[in-house]
Amino acid sequence: AQSVTQLDSHVSVSEGTPVLLRCNYSSSYSPSLFWYVQHPNKGLQLLLKYTSAATLVKGINGFEAEFKKSETSFHLTKPSAHMSDAAEYFCVVRTGQNFVFGPGTRLSVLP
Amino acid sequence: AAGVIQSPRHLIKEKRETATLKCYPIPRHDTVYWYQQGPGQDPQFLISFYEKMQSDKGSIPDRFSAQQFSDYHSELNMSSLELGDSALYFCASSSKTSYNEQFFGPGTRLTVL
Repeated sequence: AQSVTQLDSHVSVSEGTPVLLRCNYSSSYSPSLFWYVQHPNKGLQLLLKYTSAATLVKGINGFEAEFKKSETSFHLTKPSAHMSDAAEYFCVVRTGQNFVFGPGTRLSVLP
Repeated sequence: AAGVIQSPRHLIKEKRETATLKCYPIPRHDTVYWYQQGPGQDPQFLISFYEKMQSDKGSIPDRFSAQQFSDYHSELNMSSLELGDSALYFCASSSKTSYNEQFFGPGTRLTVL
């Protein structure tokens, strides 16, 4: 069975500093992996996805993630945080028809 | 571009009442998924439909049922509502060409009093 672990429930960074949101997955098959962002009282927006092409995936708003099979990780990074990045971030794994969400990481950006 | 539409956006019901949530997928999308997101929780998969047939089932209570219609829109029917059903209900859609990506609607916020 597939599962997703997001190691940090809350990450706090200062504006202009790098962001690292960690995600580890377990899957019996070669997975497809996604990062979604959810701003308060808003729906889910896709940031980026990995579907067995390039292991370094670039997404919207300057985010990127690297798929590392040996570490079963798909960590999300951004070189410089912006105040508007404050939101909840979900790592999602898909195998077959099933999408499984991680518990989420709340990102706070301090001025 | 057209997105996933959900209605209503907000719904308030009392315990033991019924509720129907509607989802209109992106045109030409043939797969619909329903998720429930409780306060401060991650979205939990409920059920999905492909070409009007149930394709996968998650943690959907027996009090809930869903279907996908010939125009591909889907309805989630919830009966004997409980306080714990208060949540944000998301619908997502995908297609064969966007097989690996779900497009989410804005959600329906259900409050059970």
